[in-house]
Amino acid sequence: GAVVSQHPSWVICKSGTSVKIECRSLDFQATTMFWYRQFPKQSLMLMATSNEGSKATYEQGVEKDKFLINHASLTLSTLTVTSAHPEDSSFYICSASASTYEQYFGPGTRLTVT
Amino acid sequence: GIQVEQSPPDLILQEGANSTLRCNFSDSVNNLQWFHQNPWGQLINLFYIPSGTKQNGRLSATTVATERYSLLYISSSQTTDSGVYFCAVTQGGSEKLVFGKGTKLTVNP
Repeated sequence: GAVVSQHPSWVICKSGTSVKIECRSLDFQATTMFWYRQFPKQSLMLMATSNEGSKATYEQGVEKDKFLINHASLTLSTLTVTSAHPEDSSFYICSASASTYEQYFGPGTRLTVT
Repeated sequence: GIQVEQSPPDLILQEGANSTLRCNFSDSVNNLQWFHQNPWGQLINLFYIPSGTKQNGRLSATTVATERYSLLYISSSQTTDSGVYFCAVTQGGSEKLVFGKGTKLTVNP
């Protein structure tokens, strides 16, 4: 149980375009979903927290107009990287939690902006 | 905010060896999780262990909340144990996980 999926697993896009990443909890309802970013050989950095039906809460320094988060249902959250630039290239990981504080992570999405 | 320190940063073992990874945290926590990030980037939940001891096969973990540390034990290591092990905590009423920098484990055949 507690499986979280992400789609796509990797994506290459041109500078200036937008990319949408989906995060789904497959076998449980996630009251809260989280989006992280991870640079090579570094730890995970929390970008934002989202609750179903509410606006996301962004961490300090994360541009909310650039990283749009929508938590449409208890099983789906999306992250849209708008007007992507090469510096947005990274590994993006989502996680989901139910009523407990334990978080379950998706497999990640590797974004490359050319 | 809370600080999470993991040690050692790197660990190289021969297959079959045992190891202990440590996680120190600077304040009281209400959640502590251990993860294994495999070479493809997937984080795998190992333990949800805010206190006490748990075992799962060759892995076990102990958290001593009053002394602000947790230990992850890996016995009879295998090459598939290679990867980065992260400790992460939450505190207060927050659900936000604060991660340590990880321990990179390499198990050689």
